[in-house]
Order: sequence, then structure tokens, then C-alpha cells
Amino acid sequence: QSALTQPASVSGSPGQSITISCTGTSTDVGAYNSVSWYQQHPGKAPKLMVYDVSDRPSRISNRFSGSKSGNTASLTISGLQAEDEAHYYCSSHTTSSRLVFGGGTKLTVL
Amino acid sequence: QLQLQESGPGLVQPSETLSLTCSVSGGSISSSSYYLGWIRQPPGKGLEWIGSIHYSGTTYYNPSLESRVTISVDTSKKQLSLKLNSVTATDTAVYFCAGDTTVWFRFDYWAQGTQVTVPS
Repeated sequence: QSALTQPASVSGSPGQSITISCTGTSTDVGAYNSVSWYQQHPGKAPKLMVYDVSDRPSRISNRFSGSKSGNTASLTISGLQAEDEAHYYCSSHTTSSRLVFGGGTKLTVL
Repeated sequence: QLQLQESGPGLVQPSETLSLTCSVSGGSISSSSYYLGWIRQPPGKGLEWIGSIHYSGTTYYNPSLESRVTISVDTSKKQLSLKLNSVTATDTAVYFCAGDTTVWFRFDYWAQGTQVTVPS
């Protein structure tokens, strides 16, 4: 069982927006603004999409955005494109200096 | 910008020690800014953090693996290493080395991953 809870799957049509949630506790997601989101295509290494809850590496499209409320963080992808179909993982560091990942969410673009 | 490349045996026998190396290029791992780490992914499953290290030697380990894991860095060889002892079939996974220029708990740079199998 993963430390952070994500939905197993989400789906959306091209052009639509989807949101993936990531629920933790007051000792991880709720404790710091250090939530990151990774995209992973099959057979590939993960790719950092969002860090510190809502910041993006300069190479990442502004279609990807992050937010947090309490113990739940969210990743929103707007203007869905076929290439967005992938697994997405959230992560957070904890009050005990541990890094925890979510179980992952498979995004299907219909 | 870091480039990372793992190397090591793809098959490890039960009860033996898994040893992997990650070669770092494109930057200096002796820079005070760099953190490196290991993450693994069992077949069909999600990501599991193994541990992270700063070149100064400060380490952070997953408590569930800490008793079996050693992560170290050789700045002269520009290499990160992972040793996981007493392996079982549950340690079968793709092992990734990864890094970041700022903090130990996120990874902006990733190697391609290396499959390690422990037969049951």
C-alpha cells in the first residue's frame, strides 16, 4: 500500500481538462509545499512535471498545473493531448525525512 | 545539466548483494547543489524511493529498506553506487538513478533505468 493515495485511473477527451488527486496526511502532503508530480510513459524513466506543489520546470507546458489544499494535492492537465496519455505519480517528503510516492494514476486520452 | 547512466548485473541470486553504479556526466557531483538518489519500480507497479545522498555524504534512506541498503558517492570517479544485500524475488525491479540540483526529495534528471531480476 502506497503512502500517498491516487486514483488508479482517469480519462478525458482531447481538449478537455482532467485533475488527478494525491491524498496524504499532515506529516507529508500537509506538512510541506514539496509535492512533485512525474509523468511516465511505458518503458521510460519518469519525468518531473511539477515541483513545490505548483512550480514547473521551464521545459514543461503550462497546460500542466498543480495545487494543494490541506492534505490533498492535485495535478490538472488542460487541453488534453494524445501524448499526455501516461502514468502520473505524486511524491512528497515527510516530517521524518522520508520521500513517499503515490501509487500512480493511469491517464487515458479517449 | 546532469546525464546519468546506470550499470550493473541484470541477474542477482537470492540472498546475494545487488550492486549498481550510476555514472554522472554533464556536471560535478561534488557541487554543493547536487543530490542523487535511487528509485525502483517492480514489474507493473509504482515507484519506490530507495534513498538519496548529497556528495558530502549526508544520506536519506527509505526506512523499509534501510537495514539492507548502502548508498555512496565517489566524486573522483563521478559515480553513485547502490548496494542492497540479502535480496529476494521481491527486489526484482527496474532500478533508476536520478538527481536534482537543489533538494534531495525530487528528481529532475533520470537515467533510463536498469532491470534487475532476482529469481524465486
